[in-house]
Amino acid sequence: KQEVTQIPAALSVPEGENLVLNCSFTDSAIYNLQWFRQDPGKGLTSLLLIQSSQREQTSGRLNASLDKSSGRSTLYIAASQPGDSATYLCAVRPGYSSASKIIFGSGTRLSIRP
Amino acid sequence: NAGVTQTPKFQVLKTGQSMTLQCAQDMNHNSMYWYRQDPGMGLRLIYYSASEGTTDKGEVPNGYNVSRLNKREFSLRLESAAPSQTSVYFCASSSGTSWYFGPGTRLTVL
Repeated sequence: KQEVTQIPAALSVPEGENLVLNCSFTDSAIYNLQWFRQDPGKGLTSLLLIQSSQREQTSGRLNASLDKSSGRSTLYIAASQPGDSATYLCAVRPGYSSASKIIFGSGTRLSIRP
Repeated sequence: NAGVTQTPKFQVLKTGQSMTLQCAQDMNHNSMYWYRQDPGMGLRLIYYSASEGTTDKGEVPNGYNVSRLNKREFSLRLESAAPSQTSVYFCASSSGTSWYFGPGTRLTVL
């Protein structure tokens, strides 16, 4: 059974720092992996999607990497800003089909101190 | 293009009461989902619908029923609410790669 873990559950860093959020999954057979952002009291917004054949994706200050063999993904945030404060969730679509159910990690709550 | 909409945004029920959470999407997606989010547990799938007319159980379906009324709408019904169903409920739709979430319904069962 695929399980997705995000450690730490919470992280606080000063503004301007580069940081890395971690996601691990137990089964390397995945279709794709997504990183989401959730602001308090809001729904989820998709940040980056990495297909199983890809190693990384970039969008602005965000870079997500995928290493299926080790069951890990990282989300790198460069030059962090207070507006980056949110909960970041990792989600895996297991197996080999785009129709399989997505499985979420419990998230990392990020706080950027001004 | 409103994306995914959910109603209501907040609801308080007494144990044993019933209610239906509504969800609609205007992106012509085949797949729609209902998740619940509880502190420290991430999002857990309740039910999903891969296409109009089909529904399947997810990880935590007990106490819930769903209806895929048409391609746009996917409703979640609590027939007899219990305090354990206090949670934030999210509806989502997917094209297979892109995912879109509604703003959520915060439900409290007393």
